[in-house]
Amino acid sequence: DGGITQSPKYLFRKEGQNVTLSCEQNLNHDAMYWYRQDPGQGLRLIYYSQIVNDFQKGDIAEGYSVSREKKESFPLTVTSAQKNPTAFYLCASSGGLAGGGEQFFGPGTRLTVL
Amino acid sequence: KQEVTQIPAALSVPEGENLVLNCSFTDSAIYNLQWFRQDPGKGLTSLLLIQSSQREQTSGRLNASLDKSSGRSTLYIAASQPGDSATYLCATLGGTYKYIFGTGTRLKVLA
Repeated sequence: DGGITQSPKYLFRKEGQNVTLSCEQNLNHDAMYWYRQDPGQGLRLIYYSQIVNDFQKGDIAEGYSVSREKKESFPLTVTSAQKNPTAFYLCASSGGLAGGGEQFFGPGTRLTVL
Repeated sequence: KQEVTQIPAALSVPEGENLVLNCSFTDSAIYNLQWFRQDPGKGLTSLLLIQSSQREQTSGRLNASLDKSSGRSTLYIAASQPGDSATYLCATLGGTYKYIFGTGTRLKVLA
C-alpha cells in the first residue's frame, strides 16, 4: 500500500521542550512538504524539500527545523523557540511536475502544548 | 504573490441537490489546480487534479473546471449525499513549486 504515514497521531509538549514529528512516504516522491493548520485558517507552509539533502523555508519556518537525509523521510522538529505550536501538522509529498504535480497528504499529527 | 480564495466559507444544502463550490486565484501562471476533501481531524484527500492545459476533470459525481484567464475553478458535485459533508479545499501550484491553498468551503449535506 503506497502512502504517507505520520506519527504520532497525538503529541503533547511541555513548555521548553523540543519535539519531533515523523513523516515517511513510500511513493518514491522527490518533493516533501510540512504544513501547519489552525482552526478556521488555511494551510500554511513551514518547510519543503525538492530533493534529498536540500530543503527551503516556507512562510512560517521560525521555530521549526527539518532534515532530509533519506528520500522517504522528512522529520519536523518543533523547537522551544516556536511560541504557539499548538496546531494540526500535515505532511505531504509530490512527484513533481514530471508526475503531474499532484500532492498527497498524510493523516496528520495534532500537537498540544501543556 | 498568489492568493487563493474560496467562497462561500460554509454551505448547507438538502440531500440530492447539485452544488457548485468556487475557487478564485490571482495569478494565472499556474501548473495545475487541485481539489481536496478534508474530514474533521483528518488529512487531505485528493479529489481532482487539473493541469494548466486542461479545462476540466471528472470523477464519479465530481466535475472540476478550470478557467485560467478569469482565475477561476469550480467543483461541481452532483446529487449530493450526507457523506459528502466535509471541508473542500483548492490549491494551485505555481512557478515557485509551492502550493497555495484556499481556506476552504465547509459543506454540510442534510439528510
